[in-house]
Amino acid sequence: EAGVAQSPRYKIIEKRQSVAFWCNPISGHATLYWYQQILGQGPKLLIQFQNNGVVDDSQLPKDRFSAERLKGVDSTLKIQPAKLEDSAVYLCASSARGTPGLNTEAFFGQGTRLTVV
Amino acid sequence: SQQGEEDPQALSIQEGENATMNCSYKTSINNLQWYRQNSGRGLVHLILIRSNEREKHSGRLRVTLDTSKKSSSLLITASRAADTASYFCVLTGTASKLTFGTGTRLQVTL
Repeated sequence: EAGVAQSPRYKIIEKRQSVAFWCNPISGHATLYWYQQILGQGPKLLIQFQNNGVVDDSQLPKDRFSAERLKGVDSTLKIQPAKLEDSAVYLCASSARGTPGLNTEAFFGQGTRLTVV
Repeated sequence: SQQGEEDPQALSIQEGENATMNCSYKTSINNLQWYRQNSGRGLVHLILIRSNEREKHSGRLRVTLDTSKKSSSLLITASRAADTASYFCVLTGTASKLTFGTGTRLQVTL
């Protein structure tokens, strides 16, 4: 089966510019995650969708970050305006809906490496 | 918070040796997963162990879970250079939220 697709793979922007990342999850996967991974750290969850509804966005900097998942399939993550500290790899992942209350494995895309200069 | 803490932070071994990394946590969990991240294949799921299981095997991997001590361990037997990566334990509760720690960086040398 096809994996999680992300684009672009790399992006360099100047601070205060805007940027958008796109994610296509594995077909049929109800749960979609966006993570931010700064060099040397573990992935940090930004937002979690269940179908097209938001389950958790407690760590999403809502003054500059936004995300949507239209029709419960593809998702976009936007940063506007970008700051130097937003330089990181942005990972998208998806998982199937398992038994309620339990979890199945998450499949990750290759990520988008963002450099803000 | 529902985040595991991996120990050690870094581990260096020779090819053929076993590697053991540990994960401790503070909250109750539904299950615990281990993931591997390297530059070649990105972030990949390795194994999932449910809270009512004590041990699970997958190839050269063995995972144990002790819910009374709130700890888990990942053993990689007969390590290979290709096992060089960062390893994360991920706790999952009722909301399917996946929270990563800082990971254990494993270096396997020839």
